[in-house]
Amino acid sequence: AQSVTQPDIHITVSEGASLELRCNYSYGATPYLFWYVQSPGQGLQLLLKYFSGDTLVQGIKGFEAEFKRSQSSFNLRKPSVHWSDAAEYFCAVGAPAGNAGNMLTFGGGTRLMVKP
Amino acid sequence: DAGVTQSPTHLIKTRGQHVTLRCSPISGHKSVSWYQQVLGQGPQFIFQYYEKEERGRGNFPDRFSARQFPNYSSELNVNALLLGDSALYLCASSIGTSGLLWDTQYFGPGTRLTVL
Repeated sequence: AQSVTQPDIHITVSEGASLELRCNYSYGATPYLFWYVQSPGQGLQLLLKYFSGDTLVQGIKGFEAEFKRSQSSFNLRKPSVHWSDAAEYFCAVGAPAGNAGNMLTFGGGTRLMVKP
Repeated sequence: DAGVTQSPTHLIKTRGQHVTLRCSPISGHKSVSWYQQVLGQGPQFIFQYYEKEERGRGNFPDRFSARQFPNYSSELNVNALLLGDSALYLCASSIGTSGLLWDTQYFGPGTRLTVL
């Protein structure tokens, strides 16, 4: 069965500093990987996704992520954090489910706090 | 275009009661998935429906059921509520026309269910 681990439960960075959120996955086939962001009391917004091809993927809001098969990782990065980036970030892997369906398996999330 | 909509926004029930949550997908999307997010955790997959058929089911008891209507909207039903059912219930929609596998899922704002 697939699984996702986000080792950092909380991260605090200063506004303008760079950011890297870690994600490790376990999946027996080619992974389909996603990063979502959740603001307090809100649903999930898709930041970026990796299906195949270039291992460095660009997303919205200036985020990027790099897929490293040898490390089973899909870390999220941003060169300069803004106060509005404070939120919870979830990494997820897509996998088949049941009758030709698909499902997302999420990590536990990383809460990002931004210091002024 | 409207995103995924869910109703109600908040709901308070007592143990043993029944609840129905509703979801309308993005226009043109034919697949709906349901996830449960307990406070402090990542979302967990409950169901996926496509063209009114169940296509995937997560590890949830039979107290949880769902259905999809001809207009692609969906209901999630939970019987005999337990305190542990308190959570944010998220609905996600995906296009589905190119096959369900690896469709990107777009999430609604969720319904916050509190069981007393």
